[in-house]
Amino acid sequence: EADIYQTPRYLVIGTGKKITLECSQTMGHDKMYWYQQDPGMELHLIHYSYGVNSTEKGDLSSESTVSRIRTEHFPLTLESARPSHTSQYLCASSLLGTDTQYFGPGTRLTVL
Amino acid sequence: EDKVVQSPLSLVVHEGDTVTLNCSYEVTNFRSLLWYKQEKKAPTFLFMLTSSGIEKKSGRLSSILDKKELFSILNITATQTGDSAVYLCAVLIQGAQKLVFGQGTRLTINP
Repeated sequence: EADIYQTPRYLVIGTGKKITLECSQTMGHDKMYWYQQDPGMELHLIHYSYGVNSTEKGDLSSESTVSRIRTEHFPLTLESARPSHTSQYLCASSLLGTDTQYFGPGTRLTVL
Repeated sequence: EDKVVQSPLSLVVHEGDTVTLNCSYEVTNFRSLLWYKQEKKAPTFLFMLTSSGIEKKSGRLSSILDKKELFSILNITATQTGDSAVYLCAVLIQGAQKLVFGQGTRLTINP
């Protein structure tokens, strides 16, 4: 069982607000990822990190930004939320040199 | 463009039936293929496959990979209502170390 946590689990906010989605893992994993998943659709990678101070953009263009100041923490920030950002955001982590990614419970974001 | 295609997209069966879920892929540089089960929350890891022809098994679930034909199958025998979920197939790309996901198969087991 993976120990990876996301908060909040559900968030409903108005357009233009700044939000930060939190993701933490207690497994000491080097690599962390953010995926976006619309209902009934594939997961798409939006950001990933190989370790502290390393961040990269994924395949799906996203207006969000991430930071990796501590190994266990990989927050995602939207400076100005819009209805098009409504989606589920899943955080994952894996150990360097291994293939299996472990997922958090997700944050379901609704922007009105 | 790297692509993973799952079929069927949706499947409804009765408890006790056996099901086979399919995953085909076209990727630039294959490293491994992973199966996940997603209920209302996080995808949970089921199997990782790297070699052709070697079956991975866990209870009533099993999976096999064919790297020549570029597909994998996930079998579930003696299905139970608790098997109802979306089953996701993903391919890990060598070098980029990123997972490319299929759309998932929504499996519903009726009592």
